[in-house]
Amino acid sequence: LAKTTQPISMDSYEGQEVNITCSHNNIATNDYITWYQQFPSQGPRFIIQGYKTKVTNEVASLFIPADRKSSTLSLPRVSLSDTAVYYCLVGPTSGTYKYIFGTGTRLKVLA
Amino acid sequence: GAVVSQHPSWVICKSGTSVKIECRSLDFQATTMFWYRQFPKQSLMLMATSNEGSKATYEQGVEKDKFLINHASLTLSTLTVTSAHPEDSSFYICSASRPSGRALDTQYFGPGTRLTVL
Repeated sequence: LAKTTQPISMDSYEGQEVNITCSHNNIATNDYITWYQQFPSQGPRFIIQGYKTKVTNEVASLFIPADRKSSTLSLPRVSLSDTAVYYCLVGPTSGTYKYIFGTGTRLKVLA
Repeated sequence: GAVVSQHPSWVICKSGTSVKIECRSLDFQATTMFWYRQFPKQSLMLMATSNEGSKATYEQGVEKDKFLINHASLTLSTLTVTSAHPEDSSFYICSASRPSGRALDTQYFGPGTRLTVL
């Protein structure tokens, strides 16, 4: 089970780009990196998933260096509604894989 | 996208009673579902893996006789908290992986169930 390390919390201001980095030094060859967002009293919501280099969708970008020992979630121009906890998870994309959640990063967006 | 639902969204019960929480995959079949518990300001803690047609697999420290899991069909898993006590009050979340036909399955989470035991 790959262990992930993220900053506990981050503050940002509306309109800024936010980058959250996750360390996963013992990532395995068949592991993917997945990021989830969780609001209070809600289940985690899938944001983005990738294996290497860069992945972009309508809400975020994911940057993964060649050694894959870390990854960075980039949120462009955040708004107050992006205040949430962000979790980085690492593992194979098998339906039976048990994800182990780390602490996550508590992002607070200020006006 | 894939949708996982939970019912009820919140429940209040008296100490000593049992409470059943349902987890459904609405638009896909899930042979495996997962149950998590989350206390305030803490991360999700995996409780057990629910397997369709077979016994659930529990994580270390989770009492299988207290948290009964039944995965009766490919779209439904239930978690029953038996003889609930105030310390069982928590936010319970289920998840399921949607098969994509490729290697890239994605795990989707339900909205969670808030259990309060008085």
